[in-house]
Amino acid sequence: KAGVTQTPRYLIKTRGQQVTLSCSPISGHRSVSWYQQTPGQGLQFLFEYFSETQRNKGNFPGRFSGRQFSNSRSEMNVSTLELGDSALYLCASSLVGTSISEQFFGPGTRLTVL
Amino acid sequence: DAKTTQPNSMESNEEEPVHLPCNHSTISGTDYIHWYRQLPSQGPEYVIHGLTSNVNNRMASLAIAEDRKSSTLILHRATLRDAAVYYCILRDGKSGNTGKLIFGQGTTLQVKP
Repeated sequence: KAGVTQTPRYLIKTRGQQVTLSCSPISGHRSVSWYQQTPGQGLQFLFEYFSETQRNKGNFPGRFSGRQFSNSRSEMNVSTLELGDSALYLCASSLVGTSISEQFFGPGTRLTVL
Repeated sequence: DAKTTQPNSMESNEEEPVHLPCNHSTISGTDYIHWYRQLPSQGPEYVIHGLTSNVNNRMASLAIAEDRKSSTLILHRATLRDAAVYYCILRDGKSGNTGKLIFGQGTTLQVKP
């Protein structure tokens, strides 16, 4: 069974631009979560989607948004990029996303904002 | 969410057992104890989880204190591939459906050949 895939793997943008990252969950998984990882803040939860609905949201500004499609694929968007948005963005999927379900992570998208 | 405390770093020799501690003194009765690890340049991966009883799987063992205020992840024979950041995470079993994970700083494990 294929794992979680994320595209693109690397991205370079400039301040003020916007970016869209994509995540394809494991087949059959309906929950998709997004995380931001930086050296200073570590791994931080962004949001979770289940059956096309946002179910949980972390403490990030409104510039960060996401959505999930009917095939469970998810995208996250960051508008008006800032230097501090440079990070590794990780996507995780799980079958139904309960508090005991195993989360499967993708390899991440490395975003650099210049 | 209840917090966990882990040592920043630990060292081990290859093929020796490793005991990674985690303190969670404010754990509630419905909190599950999860462990994930992140190998270099990879996303985190699930290791093991438990509620009250000790648990074993092919990767590791989880020993949970009787009062549940601490737990220990045990790697029975460390290999170079086990060098990673290990995260101890509490997940509330009564909070309903959520895939959300709250990561702390974790323990960076170095394995020496």
